[in-house]
Parts: sequence; C-alpha cells; structure tokens
Amino acid sequence: DADVTQTPRNRITKTGKRIMLECSQTKGHDRMYWYRQDPGLGLRLIYYSFDVKDINKGEISDGYSVSRQAQAKFSLSLESAIPNQTALYFCATSDGDPLSNKQYFGPGTRLTVT
Amino acid sequence: GESVGLHLPTLSVQEGDNSIINCAYSNSASDYFIWYKQESGKGPQFIIDIRSNMDKRQGQRVTVLLNKTVKHLSLQIAATQPGDSAVYFCAENLAGGTSYGKLTFGQGTILTVHP
Repeated sequence: DADVTQTPRNRITKTGKRIMLECSQTKGHDRMYWYRQDPGLGLRLIYYSFDVKDINKGEISDGYSVSRQAQAKFSLSLESAIPNQTALYFCATSDGDPLSNKQYFGPGTRLTVT
Repeated sequence: GESVGLHLPTLSVQEGDNSIINCAYSNSASDYFIWYKQESGKGPQFIIDIRSNMDKRQGQRVTVLLNKTVKHLSLQIAATQPGDSAVYFCAENLAGGTSYGKLTFGQGTILTVHP
C-alpha cells in the first residue's frame, strides 16, 4: 500500500550495530504497528502506538525500541543487532475503529544481520 | 544460526478451479475477522473482512464463511487465477481486554495456481 512506506527496503548489517527502520504513512491514522515476520511463523507484534504519546510493547519487544516522532512517523530501532533478528519487518496502520482494527501494511524491510 | 520455522499448509490448484483456504481461530470472543493476501516480496494486503454477527460475506470472486460453533473461518476464491498465487492468512480481532487494538494472525496458507 503506497500510503504506508518503509525505508530502507533492504538492509544488511553486522552484529552489534545499531540500526533504525523507518515508517511513514499518509493515511492520517492514529495507530501504528511494527511486526516481524519469520518463515512459517506468521506476523508477530513488536511494538504498537495508539497515538504520539502512547507506545506499548508487543509480544516480542526485547532487543527493540521505537519512537513515534509524529502521527505519520513510527521508527523501529535495533540497539545492538544480533543474527536472530534477521527477518522481514512490517509497519502497519489502523484508523482505530474498535470494532474492526483493520490494518494496512507497508511493503516491508528485509533485514539481514551477519 | 537461522531458526527453522513451521511448514505452512499448501494448496495447489489449476487455473479456473475454485479454491478454499481454511483458518481455525483461537478466541471464541473474537468479533471481527480479516483475510489478507501476501505476494512474494510485498506486504499483506486486505482482501475481505467479516463481523461475528454474520455467517457469510461476498466480495469480488471471494467469499468468507464464518462458523462460530467450531471457530472456523474459510476463504473461497472463485475461478482462481495465477495472480492469486500468494500466502493467505486470517486475522482475528477482540474488541476489548488485553487484546484491545491488536490483531492476532494465523500462520498462513500458501496457494499455488498452475496455468
């Protein structure tokens, strides 16, 4: 979905390096999410934010941190990358309809930690 | 080292056939369900959704069926085309409690359409 963009699309980094993945959206949604996808394991929630001042840990937040710089921007950081953080990372947004929580995904970032 | 994930269920069909993809969800209190399609190298795309007060909903070439008794969701694709080849997964929403604002995703099914 072009309304949700992620940079970079691909990244190779070395163990111990700090890296940041960025997400921007033009949908005007308050809610933003970061997921990790590993082969055969589906999408797992890392962090989510309901608005600029509200950030929550997901099921696998260890080793990650986030920053909600504005309504439209939500960044994910790996403070000290390790090889088992090699995965596909997706950002998503939602308009906050409590009866649905339909989420719209970005194109993903493929991260490789060597 | 690289972790070994589970093998996803797979469905292979011929072009023009109908496809049925199944999903068992976990929470009987879930009140909204979504099907997503994920093509290789892309993010998940919304296909169709259904609320728990419905049993069936139709879209363009797709139908979602919900059986709350056995907590089962299915996606039917009519006249399957090669462009339908992708991973399909369901997601459930529970509008309350600790799951508020979060979707729970299934692991997915790989659909391969042969010309």
